[in-house]
Amino acid sequence: QVQLVESGGGVVQPGRSLRLSCGASGFTFTSYAMHWVRQAPGKGLEWVAVISYDGNNKYYADFVKGRFTLSRDNAKKTHYLQMDSLRPEDTALYYCARPRVAAGIDAFDVWGQGTMVIVSS
Amino acid sequence: HSALTQPASVSGSPGQSITISCTGTNSDVGGYNYVSWYQQHPGKAPKLIICEVNNRPSGVSDRFSGSKSGNTASLTISGLQAEDEADYYCISYTSTTTLYVFGTGTKVTV
Repeated sequence: QVQLVESGGGVVQPGRSLRLSCGASGFTFTSYAMHWVRQAPGKGLEWVAVISYDGNNKYYADFVKGRFTLSRDNAKKTHYLQMDSLRPEDTALYYCARPRVAAGIDAFDVWGQGTMVIVSS
Repeated sequence: HSALTQPASVSGSPGQSITISCTGTNSDVGGYNYVSWYQQHPGKAPKLIICEVNNRPSGVSDRFSGSKSGNTASLTISGLQAEDEADYYCISYTSTTTLYVFGTGTKVTV
């Protein structure tokens, strides 16, 4: 079935880096843009970033610009969120999500289970 | 880019109808019909319940409906049931440098 599985979360000190992965199965990964959404403990959802189906276009929320970088490996059906210069306020459960349709702007109908990132000294 | 504004909490009795508002600006809610709504139960990933303002994905109960007027989108839950108790979030595409913006979230109590 259609599935997304995140990994790579953990505890990291402020200023350090972490790379999250999101593996996909059950659909044509190469056709879809992929998103990251995060949720701090007890807080609301925040959109983080999106990478286009071919990896050529990437957009980021203002609060991660210059610190987070998206990439994807279509052969491995996996995309990545490289997080540098981490701050305590980046502590959150990070979800990857897939839009309903392969092209254009659309809602996210497939979500992973999330991977937790804790930034603390 | 500031989050879209939702009421922190809304409550209702079983069988009643409730409406959750999601207020933005001309740059997001008012400018595009790309508003969607998500339901999130504790410890679970969000679930899409409304897309493109008023479209229900397959499998979503017809008790959920969406609408928009100006810069405010709304989610209505009719025939409220105990299982509807959850957090609800709106999200809109935006013309700003941040492509998408979520609402602040609403806790629904039945």
